[in-house]
Amino acid sequence: KAGVTQTPRYLIKTRGQQVTLSCSPISGHRSVSWYQQTPGQGLQFLFEYFSETQRNKGNFPGRFSGRQFSNSRSEMNVSTLELGDSALYLCASSLATGGSYGYTFGSGTRLTVV
Amino acid sequence: ELKVEQNPLFLSMQEGKNYTIYCNYSTTSDRLYWYRQDPGKSLESLFVLLSNGAVKQEGRLMASLDTKARLSTLHITAAVHDLSATYFCAAFPAGSRLTFGEGTQLTVNP
Repeated sequence: KAGVTQTPRYLIKTRGQQVTLSCSPISGHRSVSWYQQTPGQGLQFLFEYFSETQRNKGNFPGRFSGRQFSNSRSEMNVSTLELGDSALYLCASSLATGGSYGYTFGSGTRLTVV
Repeated sequence: ELKVEQNPLFLSMQEGKNYTIYCNYSTTSDRLYWYRQDPGKSLESLFVLLSNGAVKQEGRLMASLDTKARLSTLHITAAVHDLSATYFCAAFPAGSRLTFGEGTQLTVNP
């Protein structure tokens, strides 16, 4: 059974640019959640999508957005990148909303903003 | 709002020793998860605890849940270097979403 696939694995961008990250969940999972992880900040919840609808949103500025497609694949977009956006971005796949059956995480995308 | 607190946040221990990581959560939760994260890697699911008194064990790790005390523990027996990682607990309150603790960074020294 294929796991959660995140692409790309690594990304280097310049301040002010925008970036799009992709996540393909486990087959049959309709919920995709996104987290930002930086040293010392733990896991910060960005948002969750279920059946193409945003169900929950964390405390991030509007520069962070996402969407989900009919095949459950999700994309996350960050516009006008700032140095502080450098982080590991993790995608988590789940059967139901909220992670009620637990999450399976992807390998993450490490974004470096220079 | 659910708060999940882990204790300690940093733990340095010698090989062969035992230790316990604590996870307290502030509101009633249906279930409790433990995850492991190796440096620079993603999170890997270790245990899910579904009811009061639940105990799960794998290798040198044993997790337990006390829903009345809103407390879960992750006990490490005879630690080995390979257990060095960050361990997260996560609680799921009904009608909400899985909420993670801050993580406990464990270093096992020879």
